[in-house]
Amino acid sequence: QVQLQESGPGLVKPSQTPSLTCTVSGGSISSGDYYWSWIRQHPGKGLEWIGEFYYSGSTYYNPSLKSRVAISVDTSKNQFSLKLSSVTAADTAVYYCARVSYYDSSGFFDCWGQGILVTVSS
Amino acid sequence: DIQMTQSPSSLSASVGDRVTITCRTSQSISTYLNWYQQKPGKAPKLLIYVASSLQSGVPSRFSGSGSGTDFTLTIRSLQPEDFATYYCQQSYSTPYTFGQGTRLEIK
Repeated sequence: QVQLQESGPGLVKPSQTPSLTCTVSGGSISSGDYYWSWIRQHPGKGLEWIGEFYYSGSTYYNPSLKSRVAISVDTSKNQFSLKLSSVTAADTAVYYCARVSYYDSSGFFDCWGQGILVTVSS
Repeated sequence: DIQMTQSPSSLSASVGDRVTITCRTSQSISTYLNWYQQKPGKAPKLLIYVASSLQSGVPSRFSGSGSGTDFTLTIRSLQPEDFATYYCQQSYSTPYTFGQGTRLEIK
């Protein structure tokens, strides 16, 4: 049973570039069977897709965040990471990593990490 | 971006009730629509994918239907553990977008 676990700083200062890591266990990121994604949820609000990648290197980002976001992968550690630059209070949110399965060209998030709250404050 | 509108935003119901949640999209997305359940402090959980396919392990009282721009999630015979927030999500095109959520509360 695949499991995902986010890690990273819980508190960051404005203008910093925090890095969050998702460690995948019970399955290999490089198996090629799935895409892998980051999603965030502002406190008390809905869900926002940040971006996703395929192990071969293809990445897709939400245009609203594209200029500040980078997703990378370390297949040797079975981890993938999110870097978000120039953060402001508006980036305070719970950040989830998730596995993306595809069926008939439709992608869906079928396995999620528990989430990590990132608070941006001076 | 494809806009997602769920209705109602909140709903009160009793154990044993049948409830329906609606999701409308700003353009046709065929059946590229998924439903999730989220409980407080927890990650969302996939319930339904491609509009009507039940995710493995999800009780059969959950069902989904629709295509094009109008979709529904139906919960037949509500159980205490079903009180949560429900989200729809489109996977027709990136950026993937979610509905604003429907909070299902106990009456």
